[in-house]
Amino acid sequence: DIKMTQSPSSLSASIGDRVAITCRASQGISNLLAWYQQRPGKAPKVLIYTASNLQSGVSSRFSGSGFGTEFTLTITDLQPEDSATYYCQQYDNYPLTFGQGTKLQIK
Amino acid sequence: QVQLQESGPGLVNPSETLSLTCSISGASIRSYYWGWVRQPPGQGLEWLAFIYYSGYSNYGPSVKSRVAVSVDTSKNQFSLRLNSVTAADTGFYYCVKSKDWFDTWGPGIQVTVSS
Repeated sequence: DIKMTQSPSSLSASIGDRVAITCRASQGISNLLAWYQQRPGKAPKVLIYTASNLQSGVSSRFSGSGFGTEFTLTITDLQPEDSATYYCQQYDNYPLTFGQGTKLQIK
Repeated sequence: QVQLQESGPGLVNPSETLSLTCSISGASIRSYYWGWVRQPPGQGLEWLAFIYYSGYSNYGPSVKSRVAVSVDTSKNQFSLRLNSVTAADTGFYYCVKSKDWFDTWGPGIQVTVSS
């Protein structure tokens, strides 16, 4: 199975800041990676697919990059509604696997 | 716009079978792959299975020996059955659209395994 490791596990930032979350795959997955946002008590919502494609309706403050084994989700101009847990997920191989999550707190 | 809604019992006895159904609106079950993802309390996400209307399916390793997914094209629904459940199967269960990345999720259903 492909192991996905996110860093950091949690972070705190202020409104207006720019943050980056990293996701590393235990083996190369090309660009077959998605990012999700999960607010408390809600289902996850896809933000990015194929590493860098913004899902329709998602704010352009979210962007993704990377290829192979290292990927980054960047959020600019942080807003209060960005307080959530973020997950990466690979779909290069079955079983599909997720990172352990990164909890983002807005100060 | 595709919408999904999970249904089923919220409480299951240990060693019994967990059965959930996902109702699809806004799309035909024949048009896409469908699947299940779960989330134990306070933990991360785990992919469980996907299925196509033809019956083609694939399962996650942690449940492979205990799980079955099926489709009912007449009702535009698909289902999950998980046998011999234990407390480790407690959590939120989500039905999802697609077999790769998931652009549509149901709101989720909380399932507790307890006597």
